[in-house]
Amino acid sequence: EVQLVESGGGLVQPGGSLRLSCTTSGFSVSSNYMTWVRQAPERGLEWVSSLFSDGSTYYGNSVKGRFTISRDNSKNTLYLQMTRLRAEDTAVYYCAKHLLLQSTTYNWFDPWGQGTLVTVSS
Amino acid sequence: EIVLTQSPATLSLSPGERATLSCRASQNINSYLGWYQHKPGQAPRLLIYDASNRATGIPARFTGSGSGTDFTLTISSLEPEDFAVYYCQQRRSWPLTFGGGSKVEIK
Repeated sequence: EVQLVESGGGLVQPGGSLRLSCTTSGFSVSSNYMTWVRQAPERGLEWVSSLFSDGSTYYGNSVKGRFTISRDNSKNTLYLQMTRLRAEDTAVYYCAKHLLLQSTTYNWFDPWGQGTLVTVSS
Repeated sequence: EIVLTQSPATLSLSPGERATLSCRASQNINSYLGWYQHKPGQAPRLLIYDASNRATGIPARFTGSGSGTDFTLTISSLEPEDFAVYYCQQRRSWPLTFGGGSKVEIK
């Protein structure tokens, strides 16, 4: 069974840093496309960053230069290193696996984890 | 950046009724549109991909249609578990973007 579990969220001051983890099972992080999506309070979903199996990375404009997506193949875990955090980064952060159909990967997200809450406040 | 506009923001319906949700793209995205269901405290769930393909395990009462700039998600007969927020998402180009969501609430 494919499972994704996020951790590492919490309260951090503006300008601070935090690293989120997405521990997975049932598939290999290294050979799949992975993504982070966030949801600010009372807001909709916002795509944050994606990491492809070939190592290519993509970032949303609001986090580019501040966030870094990476993975540890030995731990089958995806990470999101967040630096220079702002109040507007406050959100529940979800990790998700990209849809794989007949050996082709698509930029659809399935399944998702339950999310971890990041609060940026002084 | 491709902007997705969803309407209505809120839809108040009773179980058994038909729900029709709209998603409009700011430019042509062919059929590269998906739909997700999101309930409070739960992980979002992929319902429809590439405009009209149901994801694994999604009931037949969920139907996606459209192409180009105008898309529709139809729930033929609402079940109690269908009351949730629905988001559309495009994969036509980076950055990947979501619509603002449509909430289907119990009337």
